[in-house]
Amino acid sequence: DTGVSQNPRHKITKRGQNVTFRCDPISEHNRLYWYRQTLGQGPEFLTYFQNEAQLEKSRLLSDRFSAERPKGSFSTLEIQRTEQGDSAMYLCASSLVSGYEQYFGPGTRLTVT
Amino acid sequence: AQSVTQLGSHVSVSEGALVLLRCNYSSSVPPYLFWYVQYPNQGLQLLLKYTSAATLVKGINGFEAEFKKSETSFHLTKPSAHMSDAAEYFCAVSDQGSSNTGKLIFGQGTTLQVKP
Repeated sequence: DTGVSQNPRHKITKRGQNVTFRCDPISEHNRLYWYRQTLGQGPEFLTYFQNEAQLEKSRLLSDRFSAERPKGSFSTLEIQRTEQGDSAMYLCASSLVSGYEQYFGPGTRLTVT
Repeated sequence: AQSVTQLGSHVSVSEGALVLLRCNYSSSVPPYLFWYVQYPNQGLQLLLKYTSAATLVKGINGFEAEFKKSETSFHLTKPSAHMSDAAEYFCAVSDQGSSNTGKLIFGQGTTLQVKP
């Protein structure tokens, strides 16, 4: 068990560009969550998957955001036409369906210039 | 809807002193509650959890928390602070209602400063 991993750890992009982040959960975990954390705030829920099915999306997740989890393994979060307001730490977490605690990855820090 | 309020965005203690970080929750169903710690530029690490078993929960690094339903509180304590405890602490409640998504609703966080 190597824990939850996220790549890249840091991403700097220019406004209007597309970016994609990857999350590899703990292998036996069925649920995968994405959160966004801005400076000085607690993480806010974006979306989650149970296996390959995306079951809920937050109203924070605009049409420019899309997430996938093909084959119920790793997940990707894509942001199209990035805006400066997208600058944040994007956190991924995973858990067992029957478990309650979530294990977090180190996060991807996005800076939009 | 569930929510969490952390009282005090910054707490400063001396090394060796008692640590008390306050968390109050709101939930229409019996809550599952968590404390996480975050060091700079890192993800969140689970300190402890309450899932309707014992009301006094012991976690890692000497931390513990007590669930008090009458006060809707889940305060985090540690008898003696270490310099390494300096970090950001988040209280969270899990969505265990009818949708049972398990998503976490976090408080705003409390920055713990430990003075030598």
